[in-house]
Amino acid sequence: DAKTTQPTSMDCAEGRAANLPCNHSTISGNEYVYWYRQIHSQGPQYIIHGLKNNETNEMASLIITEDRKSSTLILPHATLRDTAVYYCIVRRPFWGGGSNYKLTFGKGTLLTVNP
Amino acid sequence: EAQVTQNPRYLITVTGKKLTVTCSQNMNHEYMSWYRQDPGLGLRQIYYSMNVEVTDKGDVPEGYKVSRKEKRNFPLILESPSPNQTSLYFCASSRLDGSNTGELFFGEGSRLTVL
Repeated sequence: DAKTTQPTSMDCAEGRAANLPCNHSTISGNEYVYWYRQIHSQGPQYIIHGLKNNETNEMASLIITEDRKSSTLILPHATLRDTAVYYCIVRRPFWGGGSNYKLTFGKGTLLTVNP
Repeated sequence: EAQVTQNPRYLITVTGKKLTVTCSQNMNHEYMSWYRQDPGLGLRQIYYSMNVEVTDKGDVPEGYKVSRKEKRNFPLILESPSPNQTSLYFCASSRLDGSNTGELFFGEGSRLTVL
């Protein structure tokens, strides 16, 4: 699976949009981009995923560049409860078999939402 | 309620005393996995299982054993714990079929201290 690069930390003002970048320049054609977040020391929580189109759900939006080498997770109106570590992961889907089952998270981005 | 349940949530033990951390999921997921989280190192995969009686090593399997005798359970066994296994442990599960979003469901974590 492709490696990802994320900033170590970011700050955002409450109520403003938080834009979290992720570089995945070695992504291959069948690899998806997944985002998870971990609030304090709780279990990580799935946020969103995408292949090449932009995606939106009730939690966030995912913007993937046309060349798929980078993506941005957008929290449109950040709240204090969005303070967390955000992980960007690139991998093939589980149903593809082979080594898809190994899944490692990096260090992620610590997003701090300030009042 | 769909959930992944880990026990114990907190444990302090001594070097060499065998212990088991249990993990149970109620979503009929084929895939289950164990991670450890240490400061500055992110989430690292220990073992994973694709189905009953099918397990494989992750990135940091040394000192751990697992078993998958039932679909819902995936215990993590530390035969002879050492202080370097002091960590926060997470269990996760997921479906493996093509209808799956690829979302991993995580437990709340088990904080283990080995003295």
